[in-house]
Amino acid sequence: QVQLQESGPGLVKPSETLSLTCTVSGGSISNYYWTWIRQPPGKGLESIGYIYYTGSTNYNPSLKSRVTISVDTSKNEVSLRLSSVTAADTAVYYCARRVVVISATSRNYYYMDVWGKGTTVTVSS
Amino acid sequence: DIQMTQSPSSLSASVGDRVTITCRASQSISKYLNWYQQRPGKAPKVLIYAASTLQSGVPSRFSGSGFGTDFTLTISSLQPEDLATYYCQQSYSTPHTFGQGTKLENK
Repeated sequence: QVQLQESGPGLVKPSETLSLTCTVSGGSISNYYWTWIRQPPGKGLESIGYIYYTGSTNYNPSLKSRVTISVDTSKNEVSLRLSSVTAADTAVYYCARRVVVISATSRNYYYMDVWGKGTTVTVSS
Repeated sequence: DIQMTQSPSSLSASVGDRVTITCRASQSISKYLNWYQQRPGKAPKVLIYAASTLQSGVPSRFSGSGFGTDFTLTISSLQPEDLATYYCQQSYSTPHTFGQGTKLENK
């Protein structure tokens, strides 16, 4: 059974770069999309972006200028970097596997079927 | 971005009740709609994708319906473990935006 585990510093200073790693165990990183989602305290869910195992990415335009998502297939890891952080970036950060359901139409269906437990990141000096 | 609006934002219900949560998209998204359940302190869990397809392992008391801009999640007979926050998410176009959530509480 595939499991995801987020890791990284729980405290980041304003203006610095947040760096997190998602380690995939119990299965291969290949042939899937991997996504990062965050949830500020007491608030809802926000998609940060996703990466295919080949390295192609798609970022939320609201964060695109500050986000980098990468994949290391040899380590079964997906990484997130978010630069120039502020207090507004304080959140629980989740990684999740994004699966594709092939549709008869021109668009496929996507949803997240496996999630990590999440890691809390606080931005504060 | 497509805006997703859920109603109500919170809901009080009793065990055994039939519960319905609605989700409205700011533009047509066909059937590209997912529902997630998030228990307190836990990661979200997918319940339904493609508006009405039940994810494997999810109890049959959960069902989804809708097309275009209006969708519903129904719990036919509320169980204690269903007290959680529910989110809809559109997967029609990126970014795949979420609704603000509906918190289901015990009456």
